[in-house]
Amino acid sequence: GQQLNQSPQSMFIQEGEDVSMNCTSSSIFNTWLWYKQDPGEGPVLLIALYKAGELTSNGRLTAQFGITRKDSFLNISASIPSDVGIYFCAGLSGYNKLIFGAGTRLAVHP
Amino acid sequence: SQTIHQWPATLVQPVGSPLSLECTVEGTSNPNLYWYRQAAGRGLQLLFYSVGIGQISSEVPQNLSASRPQDRQFILSSKKLLLSDSGFYLCAWRLLDRDGGLGTQYFGPGTRLLVL
Repeated sequence: GQQLNQSPQSMFIQEGEDVSMNCTSSSIFNTWLWYKQDPGEGPVLLIALYKAGELTSNGRLTAQFGITRKDSFLNISASIPSDVGIYFCAGLSGYNKLIFGAGTRLAVHP
Repeated sequence: SQTIHQWPATLVQPVGSPLSLECTVEGTSNPNLYWYRQAAGRGLQLLFYSVGIGQISSEVPQNLSASRPQDRQFILSSKKLLLSDSGFYLCAWRLLDRDGGLGTQYFGPGTRLLVL
């Protein structure tokens, strides 16, 4: 079945550093989504991408929909302690199903 | 605005007992609804989705079942829980196409299930 390869699995950074994570797939997706999950809570949508090549920002977050439609990246600039959590990418498969990556665990040291 | 609720927030159940988790959505009509399971430290696994009342699609064979008795209500059930059913269960709803945002799903707060 379709799979998303999300990397890195985890990151340990200092406050103020920039962060970059990405997802790749052998399949084409028409929508890429990035979510953040805090411990014990449901994932919260950060950025949605609907067009190949699209570059979208949400505050300190920037995400891009790869031109081949098989990849996407998320950048976080000037990280702060509240950026801690698990970040998931997701690609829309067909009409109804989202395929999720395994997540990137981010730890930010003050 | 739309909101999604899950009940209960936490549940501890013995092996072999039945299960019923509820998800309700407010502020929208005829949403697509989804049940996911997340094992500790892992990603999200799609269990069921529904495009309308009484319409259920199963993604993973297991001892769980889902029902949609009302437009904005989605229920996850089991007749006999297994230890492997422990996890974090998330309900999600999908933004309707006419509102834009094709494919975007919004998640509820989750139910943490521990089977002992």
